[in-house]
Amino acid sequence: GENVEQHPSTLSVQEGDSAVIKCTYSDSASNYFPWYKQELGKGPQLIIDIRSNVGEKKDQRIAVTLNKTAKHFSLHITETQPEDSAVYFCAASTPNDYKLSFGAGTTVTVRA
Amino acid sequence: GAVVSQHPSWVICKSGTSVKIECRSLDFQATTMFWYRQFPKQSLMLMATSNEGSKATYEQGVEKDKFLINHASLTLSTLTVTSAHPEDSSFYICSARVLGSYNEQFFGPGTRLTVL
Repeated sequence: GENVEQHPSTLSVQEGDSAVIKCTYSDSASNYFPWYKQELGKGPQLIIDIRSNVGEKKDQRIAVTLNKTAKHFSLHITETQPEDSAVYFCAASTPNDYKLSFGAGTTVTVRA
Repeated sequence: GAVVSQHPSWVICKSGTSVKIECRSLDFQATTMFWYRQFPKQSLMLMATSNEGSKATYEQGVEKDKFLINHASLTLSTLTVTSAHPEDSSFYICSARVLGSYNEQFFGPGTRLTVL
């Protein structure tokens, strides 16, 4: 099955700086890569996703890049704000069953 | 759009009792719903895939007789934890895939189960 690895496990950044989280996946058939933000005691919230037919996608301060050859994808948050503090999960899925395989998560802390 | 609700948001029950958790897609139809459990400071673990009108597909190691799943309509799936024990205490989260969509899954707010 799919194996998704995520790094780092924790990330502390100064407000206004950028944060980068990296994930790798094992199944070359994976074609959908979403990123979720989870706040304490809440369900994950989809913040951005990318499909295998594109290499980069941006939505305001958030961007995701995908390298299919290397089987890795990254989340970039620019101009971080305290409200960006949360746990972020990457995931990957294949087209045959739509199941999501999650990374272990990254706890992001934005210092004011 | 794409709102998923769960009820209850939290529940405390005695060991040996059964608990039902509802997952609803409020503004869209979901052909497929997924049930996850999440322990503190850990990632989400898929328990089962629920398709409307058919039996759920359980992940390896998940007891289907203990975690009963019913997907009666395109907007409702239920998870019943039968004969709950303290080790079943966890955060249970459902997600729904939008009918006709690519792979997008939208998650519910989760249900905190505590078994005494």
